[in-house]
Amino acid sequence: DLVLTQSPLSLPVTLGQPASISCRSTQSLVHNNGNTYLSWFQHRPGQSPRRLIYQVSNRDSGVPDRFSGSGSGTDFTLKISRVEAEDVGVYYCFQGTHWPQWTFGQGTKVEIK
Amino acid sequence: EEQLLESGGGLVQPGGSLRLSCAASGFNFNNYAMGWVRQAPGKGLEWVSVISYDGANEYYGDSVKGRFTISRDSPENTLYLQMTRLRAEDTAVYYCAKIPFGDYANAFDIWGQGTKVIVSS
Repeated sequence: DLVLTQSPLSLPVTLGQPASISCRSTQSLVHNNGNTYLSWFQHRPGQSPRRLIYQVSNRDSGVPDRFSGSGSGTDFTLKISRVEAEDVGVYYCFQGTHWPQWTFGQGTKVEIK
Repeated sequence: EEQLLESGGGLVQPGGSLRLSCAASGFNFNNYAMGWVRQAPGKGLEWVSVISYDGANEYYGDSVKGRFTISRDSPENTLYLQMTRLRAEDTAVYYCAKIPFGDYANAFDIWGQGTKVIVSS
């Protein structure tokens, strides 16, 4: 079975400083059609999960441009250029390349130092 | 505005059954595949089930296969999750989520607020 491994699992960050989360897959996430279906979700305390990024680097509507995604094949990264207080929460990578078996990473908790 | 509103959660005994509902609004429900995702206490997100836009195809995660059934009522714009033979490890917040038009690989662009299920004696 495909596994997505995130690191770190906990990320204390100073306000205004950058943050980076890694996601590594045990299988390539390149689809037969050439696209890579790796998304990132944000889950703030007391709220519903929200998709931030799809297909590696495309921001969803309304997502601040301080969030960016990159990577290819099996290695991916979510970056926050300058962390704000509202960014506190858990971040998950997610693959849809191998649907109908979708997979979430185990989550990375971002907190303010 | 696209919205999803779950209901039906509650306390149920091990081995019991429960049906969750998700009312959709703000988009043409008939055109979109839908799914359920859950989060157990202290755990991460777990994909549970997905149903095609027309109800013809259903997909299940290994942990619920054979126990849960997903369905939809298009005239009522409602998604369901029938859960049977419930176990303690099914305790979780269950989220309803929408899949972009015909785009299963980019699943879950809109989420509901969740409904809590507790399986305990």
